[in-house]
Amino acid sequence: GIQVEQSPPDLILQEGANSTLRCNFSDSVNNLQWFHQNPWGQLINLFYIPSGTKQNGRLSATTVATERYSLLYISSSQTTDSGVYFCAVQRPGFQKLVFGTGTRLLVSP
Amino acid sequence: DVKVTQSSRYLVKRTGEKVFLECVQDMDHENMFWYRQDPGLGLRLIYFSYDVKMKEKGDIPEGYSVSREKKERFSLILESASTNQTSMYLCASSPTGVGVAFFGQGTRLTVV
Repeated sequence: GIQVEQSPPDLILQEGANSTLRCNFSDSVNNLQWFHQNPWGQLINLFYIPSGTKQNGRLSATTVATERYSLLYISSSQTTDSGVYFCAVQRPGFQKLVFGTGTRLLVSP
Repeated sequence: DVKVTQSSRYLVKRTGEKVFLECVQDMDHENMFWYRQDPGLGLRLIYFSYDVKMKEKGDIPEGYSVSREKKERFSLILESASTNQTSMYLCASSPTGVGVAFFGQGTRLTVV
């Protein structure tokens, strides 16, 4: 099956810093989503981004489907950005989302 | 506001008990999923359903079964709970084809 790798596995930032999270996948996809899991376990959609670039406030994402990677940018990080960030992909002809193992982010004041 | 609701946030059950985890979505989505999440392993798919009464095994179906009698409800059943099923269980729904998946708040199950 498709492999999804995220890096780095852990990230510690000072409030106000910027960061880039990466997601590599091993096969062609027609769906890629970024999620944030808050400390209570809830997974929240950040982006649906099978290709191209999107921005939402301090967060933006870019997917280069031909090169099989996606990047999530967090600018001016805040303590509320802490949690685990997951990338999930879906292959053409399949209904299920396959998740990476996540990047755990801690933003300290 | 779209919603996926899981019946319990926290659950403690005894080894050997039959356990039901319920999930309801209000978005009229065709697809529903059950994942479990364990430290260091990410989210792994247990079962999913693409229509009423239809189901497919995911990556780790052993020890679990599912039921989907109505479009909005997808149940995960642990036939005889074991301690290695202690985990966080997450339900999701999505439209058929390619679409955004929405997750419930998760159920943290402890089997003692």
